Amino acid sequence: EPEVTQTPSHQVTQMGQEVILRCVPISNHLYFYWYRQILGQKVEFLVSFYNNEISEKSEIFDDQFSVERPDGSNFTLKIRSTKLEDSAMYFCASSFITGGEPQHFGDGTRLSIL
Amino acid sequence: RKEVEQDPGPFNVPEGATVAFNCTYSNSASQSFFWYRQDCRKEPKLLMSVYSSGNEDGRFTAQLNRASQYISLLIRDSKLSDSATYLCVVIPLGAGNMLTFGGGTRLMVKP
Repeated sequence: EPEVTQTPSHQVTQMGQEVILRCVPISNHLYFYWYRQILGQKVEFLVSFYNNEISEKSEIFDDQFSVERPDGSNFTLKIRSTKLEDSAMYFCASSFITGGEPQHFGDGTRLSIL
Repeated sequence: RKEVEQDPGPFNVPEGATVAFNCTYSNSASQSFFWYRQDCRKEPKLLMSVYSSGNEDGRFTAQLNRASQYISLLIRDSKLSDSATYLCVVIPLGAGNMLTFGGGTRLMVKP
């Protein structure tokens, strides 16, 4: 079964540094998403991406964050000037269509900010 | 009021038991509903979509009550491998494909 893959599995970074989290969505999917889950809390939506542009974003997704699809396969989340509270699991997801189709999640990147 | 609310549990049940989880959502115009399961420190995995008429997938039955803004998941003949956190997920109207997660209900199935 095709799957969403994410790298790295664990990223440790000093506060104030920039990080890039990488995702390879399922190959025929058209919609891409980032979610995060702070330890012990619920999964929260960050952003959705379609046709090379952001289609929706949450209040969490401020100017510190950006997303990009630099080529035909990768989908990245960049976090600039990281803060301690950015420590979380970051999940990438994809779906073929929108409007209620279930999303398939990657196994996540654990981001630890020191 | 939380958008999607679940009893966090844990629900401790013996193997073979039937267990039911409930979930309430605040946006009456919500349009799509799912149950995902999440193992400890792993990604959410789709368990099943929830349809208005109710639906069943093996040992799992999901029901939707739009009038009461309530979703349920019934697990019959619980297995040890069912131990996980069950996430109620809703897409509110106008939210495109933005999944809104509940906090999850933890299930522990004991031998």
